[in-house]
Amino acid sequence: GAGVSQSPSNKVTEKGKDVELRCDPISGHTALYWYRQSLGQGLEFLIYFQGNSAPDKSGLPSDRFSAERTGGSVSTLTIQRTQQEDSAVYLCASSLSAGRVGTEAFFGQGTRLTVV
Amino acid sequence: SQQGEEDPQALSIQEGENATMNCSYKTSINNLQWYRQNSGRGLVHLILIRSNEREKHSGRLRVTLDTSKKSSSLLITASRAADTASYFCATDAGGGAQKLVFGQGTRLTINP
Repeated sequence: GAGVSQSPSNKVTEKGKDVELRCDPISGHTALYWYRQSLGQGLEFLIYFQGNSAPDKSGLPSDRFSAERTGGSVSTLTIQRTQQEDSAVYLCASSLSAGRVGTEAFFGQGTRLTVV
Repeated sequence: SQQGEEDPQALSIQEGENATMNCSYKTSINNLQWYRQNSGRGLVHLILIRSNEREKHSGRLRVTLDTSKKSSSLLITASRAADTASYFCATDAGGGAQKLVFGQGTRLTINP
């Protein structure tokens, strides 16, 4: 596709349920990022994938959060046993290479997660 | 951990005026980027400045970088109502870490 695609765009779930958020990066982009943004706040780094390297999971807030990237392309962020504090917009971005080299990151429109 | 901190948190000016936002960071970096966000959804890249550059221009945008002070500024000249948005700086995390880390952002409002 032409840009980063995230699905679903909105998700309402009951507390305690598991959710899966999907990100389709731009074809050929080796770096993929997940961020979380609460209302009116900045972007909280969650996890970063770069090619075949081990992902940087240092931002995942708890072991309820996990992410994978299959075949170096599509990524899924999974939140188990959701809590109300998990409510936020989850943003995915991809870039040709990593932050140190310095290339533009392209963002999807995000998934707004509401836990009730 | 937060690498970039924007200042001010919110800025409101009249259309036609210049807007200046600042970003400070903690560790040495390889590059710094500025992004814009409308309506709390996806961010759009504005400009990238490398650590060996001091100033960069793109249209009405001017970015400066002072690595000795670990700070950057974004200047928007001749502001327009359509510039109303949140602006974020982002850096590599330093220390060899390659992840892209964002600040808290500046909420800019341009009054017609």
